[in-house]
Amino acid sequence: GQNIDQPTEMTATEGAIVQINCTYQTSGFNGLFWYQQHAGEAPTFLSYNVLDGLEEKGRFSSFLSRSKGYSYLLLKELQMKDSASYLCAVKVTGGGNKLTFGTGTQLKVEL
Amino acid sequence: KAGVTQTPRYLIKTRGQQVTLSCSPISGHRSVSWYQQTPGQGLQFLFEYFSETQRNKGNFPGRFSGRQFSNSRSEMNVSTLELGDSALYLCASRPDGGAEQYFGPGTRLTVT
Repeated sequence: GQNIDQPTEMTATEGAIVQINCTYQTSGFNGLFWYQQHAGEAPTFLSYNVLDGLEEKGRFSSFLSRSKGYSYLLLKELQMKDSASYLCAVKVTGGGNKLTFGTGTQLKVEL
Repeated sequence: KAGVTQTPRYLIKTRGQQVTLSCSPISGHRSVSWYQQTPGQGLQFLFEYFSETQRNKGNFPGRFSGRQFSNSRSEMNVSTLELGDSALYLCASRPDGGAEQYFGPGTRLTVT
């Protein structure tokens, strides 16, 4: 099976930078996803990494190291609306499009 | 392009009853997956359908079933409802050749 770990909660200040880490143990790794979920809403897709390195998309960047089983999501110029749960999810070979999710990191952005 | 739609949005059922939830994927998406989200277990994969065929199934009892129609719309059914089935049921669709899944707003099921 897969094991995915993320911090439960994080707090950061508006305008700052925050890094949310995700570690995973799995066989047949075939991609890592980050989703954002506001309370009471559906998860929205943020990023997808399948190769090592950094993917940048506006204020959001995601990094992957397959050898270390490690990823992070970097959020820059934090805004109050970034307060949400951030979910790390892994796809494995042979699992079709099944995503296995971590429990999520609840980010609180304060003034 | 319209997003993934799910009906109904809210549902209250009694233990022992059955329920059917519906999902319409984004136009052109043939892959539909279902997930259950609870505070204790987080997001858990139920099953995936592609072109009317179930491709994958998660570790849920046989009370949970699904199907997909020729227009890619999907339904999931839960029979003999238990209190523990209370959850947010999310449907996600994926474009052909793409990796990312796009989630619908979910159906909030409460079993009393």
